[in-house]
Amino acid sequence: SQELEQSPQSLIVQEGKNLTINCTSSKTLYGLYWYKQKYGEGLIFLMMLQKGGEEKSHEKITAKLDEKKQQSSLHITASQPSHAGIYLCGADMLEGGADGLTFGKGTHLIIQP
Amino acid sequence: KAGVTQTPRYLIKTRGQQVTLSCSPISGHRSVSWYQQTPGQGLQFLFEYFSETQRNKGNFPGRFSGRQFSNSRSEMNVSTLELGDSALYLCASSLVNTEAFFGQGTRLTVV
Repeated sequence: SQELEQSPQSLIVQEGKNLTINCTSSKTLYGLYWYKQKYGEGLIFLMMLQKGGEEKSHEKITAKLDEKKQQSSLHITASQPSHAGIYLCGADMLEGGADGLTFGKGTHLIIQP
Repeated sequence: KAGVTQTPRYLIKTRGQQVTLSCSPISGHRSVSWYQQTPGQGLQFLFEYFSETQRNKGNFPGRFSGRQFSNSRSEMNVSTLELGDSALYLCASSLVNTEAFFGQGTRLTVV
């Protein structure tokens, strides 16, 4: 089974609406990273969360890591066409960052005008 | 500050051949990681290098290897290519235990 589950797999949202993407792990997360990817291109770093209960915002995007450090959410307020893309959560599943990042399968976000 | 640079961007190889991909990290970053991205398996960790030493390795066969040079630039090599090796190969660089910044990737097609 997938160690890091993202939901939903795809999302179609009308421009201006809010949306939330979730990332759930069965293990403790030692670091949680959100990235955005345009199809076939590299990943753009959005935010890093390390402490339980941590919340960070950048422009209209807010990410939270829950207290138990096993789930994170990414919330976009008043979505715009520029928000379209694939959102990936990546995590350090081992303390100290050993073993590289484990990634979810991604959430494909489409913004309808 | 220049980002992570991967070359080439696109590559077509024949089954059985070998291929070498290159990655230049962000200046000052000594950690370089490689990932394979396919539609079926998603993003999977290949290996990480730090100060010319392989620090971690993912679950890939020995045909996949890499190295890092003293200037932190890294190369990844795949020998005896198989059709299933067709993927987007991504390189990422970082400082120690901080966020990783990714390059644009090399799209490898094996025919």
